[in-house]
Amino acid sequence: GENVEQHPSTLSVQEGDSAVIKCTYSDSASNYFPWYKQELGKGPQLIIDIRSNVGEKKDQRIAVTLNKTAKHFSLHITETQPEDSAVYFCAAVSSASKIIFGSGTRLSIRP
Amino acid sequence: SQTIHQWPATLVQPVGSPLSLECTVEGTSNPNLYWYRQAAGRGLQLLFYSVGIGQISSEVPQNLSASRPQDRQFILSSKKLLLSDSGFYLCAWRPPGSREYFGPGTRLTVT
Repeated sequence: GENVEQHPSTLSVQEGDSAVIKCTYSDSASNYFPWYKQELGKGPQLIIDIRSNVGEKKDQRIAVTLNKTAKHFSLHITETQPEDSAVYFCAAVSSASKIIFGSGTRLSIRP
Repeated sequence: SQTIHQWPATLVQPVGSPLSLECTVEGTSNPNLYWYRQAAGRGLQLLFYSVGIGQISSEVPQNLSASRPQDRQFILSSKKLLLSDSGFYLCAWRPPGSREYFGPGTRLTVT
């Protein structure tokens, strides 16, 4: 069946450094790729997304890249801050009714 | 604007007791609705999804069930809870081919 692999499962970076989280999807029909940030005890919140007709999208310190040929997409956070500490999920969506999530990355920012 | 509600926010139930978690959506009609479970420190597991009233698809066999008695109401139930049912339950809705909107979640502890 369809799946999304996400790496790494945990990531610790120094404040001010960059963080990169990578995902790979299997369903070639996937055409929309959202990223979610989940803080402790709360539901996931969308932080950025990208569609399959775009290779890169940036929003301030956050950027997402998509390589549709290789079925890879990545989240890049630059100039990390303590409030960036959270669990991040990638996801892949096709025209069907289901969204497939990655297993999550726990990001910790060291002061 | 669309809003999604879940209740209760937290619940502590003994093993063998019944369960009913409710999710309602405002500001949209005929949404796709989803129930996810998130075990501590783990990713999102899709339990059920519904594309319309009375239409329920189950992703994982278990002692849980779901119902959609009204267009914007989605209920997660169990006749007899197991210890392994403990977790963070998230309701979500999604327009076709777009992002997922998550509710605030219900933290269930089965004792």
